[in-house]
Amino acid sequence: GQQLNQSPQSMFIQEGEDVSMNCTSSSIFNTWLWYKQDPGEGPVLLIALYKAGELTSNGRLTAQFGITRKDSFLNISASIPSDVGIYFCAGQLGAGNMLTFGGGTRLMVKP
Amino acid sequence: DAGVIQSPRHEVTEMGQEVTLRCKPISGHNSLFWYRQTMMRGLELLIYFNNNVPIDDSGMPEDRFSAKMPNASFSTLKIQPSEPRDSAVYFCASSFTEGGYTFGSGTRLTVV
Repeated sequence: GQQLNQSPQSMFIQEGEDVSMNCTSSSIFNTWLWYKQDPGEGPVLLIALYKAGELTSNGRLTAQFGITRKDSFLNISASIPSDVGIYFCAGQLGAGNMLTFGGGTRLMVKP
Repeated sequence: DAGVIQSPRHEVTEMGQEVTLRCKPISGHNSLFWYRQTMMRGLELLIYFNNNVPIDDSGMPEDRFSAKMPNASFSTLKIQPSEPRDSAVYFCASSFTEGGYTFGSGTRLTVV
């Protein structure tokens, strides 16, 4: 079946630094999603991407849908302590199909 | 919109006891998913329903696990009998045909 490789598995950075994480797949997806999970809560949708090459921003977050449709990245600029959590990528083949989740990137921010 | 509501938030039970986790999806969503999250295995899909019908339960670990969705606004995940290795956070999520999932806050299960 489809698998998503998400990297890095964890990051420990200084407040104010930029962060980059990515997901790669062995097969194509038509939708890429990025979620954030705060400690003790469920994952919450941050950004959804629906077209190859699409670049979308949400505040300090920027995500891109790779041209090959097999990868996506998420950047966080000027990190702050509340960015701490686990970030998950997810791919969807089409409407009505299930999401395939990556293994998550655990982000820790040092004030 | 109250979001996906799960109960209880925390459950501590003794090995061998029956555990029932509950989920109320977002009104109008037609798909419901049960996930288990552990440090070792990350997010694992256990089962999902579409229009209240179980579609794929291949992720259910054993016969000790069962899930029901008697109507569009309620689902349960039952573990009987529970074992210490079932300790995890269990998430329910719902979605409409298009778009991502909305997750509940989870139930943290500890089996001692």
